[in-house]
Parts: sequence; structure tokens; C-alpha cells
Amino acid sequence: NAGVMQNPRHLVRRRGQEARLRCSPVKGHSHVYWYRQLPEEGLKFMVYLQKENIIDESGMPKERFSAEFPKEGPSILRIQQVVRGDSAAYFCASSPSAGGTTYEQYFGPGTRLTVT
Amino acid sequence: DAKTTQPTSMDCAEGRAANLPCNHSTISGNEYVYWYRQIHSQGPQYIIHGLKNNETNEMASLIITEDRKSSTLILPHATLRDTAVYYCIVRGGNKLVFGAGTILRVKS
Repeated sequence: NAGVMQNPRHLVRRRGQEARLRCSPVKGHSHVYWYRQLPEEGLKFMVYLQKENIIDESGMPKERFSAEFPKEGPSILRIQQVVRGDSAAYFCASSPSAGGTTYEQYFGPGTRLTVT
Repeated sequence: DAKTTQPTSMDCAEGRAANLPCNHSTISGNEYVYWYRQIHSQGPQYIIHGLKNNETNEMASLIITEDRKSSTLILPHATLRDTAVYYCIVRGGNKLVFGAGTILRVKS
């Protein structure tokens, strides 16, 4: 019974490169959430997606960041032209099809992005 | 989502009950109280949630006051592996809004 999977677990990029973070939700879950945790800070919501739709992107930086959750395959968080301030742990969570406030979100182990 | 207030840190002896308080005085009627924990930079782990009634599962119990303005998470027999940051979250929408949480240190 696989939980949320994220890869890579660790990613090192130089300034200006692109970072792609992948998230495979729990089997049967069609709701995905991305959170970011900067060093020594709490987790911050970034974006909420359902299959092929972005539902809430209120936490996403306006530039360089994008997310998708295609009909087939994992959800992708893409960061273009990374800067040192993007260094953080990025966590993905998923919830069952119904979503909503009564369903808990299950988190993956995270991807730790380091920008050099 | 309503704001929550938690103590910065707490200590608990191994084998004893850990009682973690949370204040959420501005909670509204349709908002749930959720508890998560994060062990040493791992992904947050769901513990329990409730609306009005007290809840219990294999991990913990959640006691919500009658006016719903505060709650307590109870770990009945804390072990060293329960050392973590515990987050109390009042949730009214799809996203989780994490505060600073309580650092629980279980000591032998």
C-alpha cells in the first residue's frame, strides 16, 4: 500500500538552471497539494491541483514557478531559473477523490532542493 | 482559516501521557481541528482531526472544549519516537495553514 512518493529526494541545481520535482499521490487519490518549507521555517501552502486542473495557486510565487497534474503520470512542480532563495524542502500531499475539509492529506517524504 | 496558538516547546517523560494544548478562539462553526506532526524534517504525518466531539484513534486522543475555542492532543504513553514538532491546524478550506507548532521532547 504505497503512500505518496516524491522524487528525487535530493536535488542540487546551479543558479539559473531548472528544477523539476515529481509527486505520485496515493493510489486512487486525485487531489494533490504542494507545500514548501524554507530552512528553519514552517510549511507554507503553494498550490492545490486536481487532475488536469489548478484549483488554488494562491501560494505560488508569481514568476518562475509552475505546477501541473496531468491525466496520466505524476504531478510536477517546476521551478525555472532557480535562485539561492529557492533552496528548501518541497512536500507533496494527496487526499481522496472527494477532497474537502473532512479528508486528511497524506504527505510524501519531500524533495530537498539545494541551489548552489 | 482561524489562527491557532500553541506553546513553543514541551517536555514529557517517556511512558507518561503527553498533553499538547492549542487555542483557537476564532474558530468558526464549519472549521475542523487537525493535528499533524513532523519528525526531524520528514514529511508531516497526520495524527487526528475533529469538529465538535472528542476523537480517539490508535495514535492519540483529541479533546475539544464545548465552546470549541481550545483543544488538547493526548499521546497516552509517549515514547522517544514521539519527539517531533506538533502542529494544531484549524481548517476551513482545502489547504493546511501551518503555524510554528510545539516542539515535544520525550525524555528517558
